Amino acid sequence: QTVVTQEPSLTVSPGGTVTLTCASGTGAVTSGYYANWFQQKPGQAPRALIYNTNNKHSWTPARFSGSLLGDKAALTLSGVQPEDEAEYYCLLYYGGALNYVFGTGTKVTVL
Amino acid sequence: QVQLVESGGGVVQPGRSLRLSCVGSGFTVRRYALHWVRQAPGKGLEWVAVMSYDGSKKYYADSVKGRFTFSRDNSNNTLYLHMNSLRDEDTAVYYCARDLGAGDYIFHALALWGQGTMVTVSS
Repeated sequence: QTVVTQEPSLTVSPGGTVTLTCASGTGAVTSGYYANWFQQKPGQAPRALIYNTNNKHSWTPARFSGSLLGDKAALTLSGVQPEDEAEYYCLLYYGGALNYVFGTGTKVTVL
Repeated sequence: QVQLVESGGGVVQPGRSLRLSCVGSGFTVRRYALHWVRQAPGKGLEWVAVMSYDGSKKYYADSVKGRFTFSRDNSNNTLYLHMNSLRDEDTAVYYCARDLGAGDYIFHALALWGQGTMVTVSS
């Protein structure tokens, strides 16, 4: 079973910047993994933020950006707002039999 | 309004079956790749299954392969997840999700999500 690893938790001050990463157990993450990023708040369904590594949805705030950082996918939050406190998940596409794997999730605390 | 609404969750005994539904509104489900994703209580997201826009391809996570079946009723604009031989570890909120774009180009982007339906497997 493929494992996709994220930082368990990160803390950031309001107005600050934080970068979350998403690592594949099979090797480097490339654009071919079509990395997605989702935000989930308690009791709510996930909300899509980023697709295909660095593409924003029409509803994604400008302060969220996606990229490749070394051999990982990354989500950067710039000018963090209190409402950004949430769990964040990445999703990687492994091709073949259209297999997708979610990351372990990162709890972001704004303090 | 473009949305997905799941239903059909509940409490079921181990080994029994359950069928979840997901109704699409504001768009035509047969034009999009569609997914099921689940989340056990207090745990992370787990991808469960995907169906291609034309229904010709269906793929499942190893944890549900051979027990779960993804189907679609175009006349009702509804997806179904047929769950057989249910286990304690299938207890979760089940979400349906839609790809970003229509047709045979798959964005691999789970853009639109339903609110989820809770399945509890317990004796």
